[in-house]
Amino acid sequence: DVKVTQSSRYLVKRTGEKVFLECVQDMDHENMFWYRQDPGLGLRLIYFSYDVKMKEKGDIPEGYSVSREKKERFSLILESASTNQTSMYLCASSPRQSLDTQYFGPGTRLTVL
Amino acid sequence: GEDVEQSLFLSVREGDSSVINCTYTDSSSTYLYWYKQEPGAGLQLLTYIFSNMDMKQDQRLTVLLNKKDKHLSLRIADTQTGDSAIYFCAETYGGATNKLIFGTGTLLAVQP
Repeated sequence: DVKVTQSSRYLVKRTGEKVFLECVQDMDHENMFWYRQDPGLGLRLIYFSYDVKMKEKGDIPEGYSVSREKKERFSLILESASTNQTSMYLCASSPRQSLDTQYFGPGTRLTVL
Repeated sequence: GEDVEQSLFLSVREGDSSVINCTYTDSSSTYLYWYKQEPGAGLQLLTYIFSNMDMKQDQRLTVLLNKKDKHLSLRIADTQTGDSAIYFCAETYGGATNKLIFGTGTLLAVQP
């Protein structure tokens, strides 16, 4: 079974703090993704990575950066958290060519005060 | 830009059929997917349909695809309280299989 884990289920941070969200997958997948989920907006892609040290912007990259130093780990970084980044953050992974598409972690609910 | 739309809410009684609808815009999508998100959990792939198919049945689930109207639907027969969740449709972006565009999600509430 594919397992995608995220470092925290719930996180509370203050405006201006630097925030790290970690995601680890154990199936040697090449592709990894970070989404945010907001009511009425569905999932929106922030960043994705097709390989180690490789990253591409998704639809809403502003205010975020990512790091992929190892194949199994994809980190999302909020350099200076703001209240409008309060959201549910979902990580996903998939093999390079995938009929079964993406496997998701349980999500991190981030609140920025 | 690409857009995938769903109604936000559907309420049904236990034992009835549920039909969740989705419209998409990218006619080059190779696959279309249905995901389920239970409360407090991530998304779980329910089923998918290849773009050259009209229908796919998998136990209680039936997926219908109308390519002309770019309309996708998910029918759940004999809906149970355990089916209560948010359902997302998704399409492959630009024909690629590893980047997806998700719909807004439909909250299905099953009344006992």
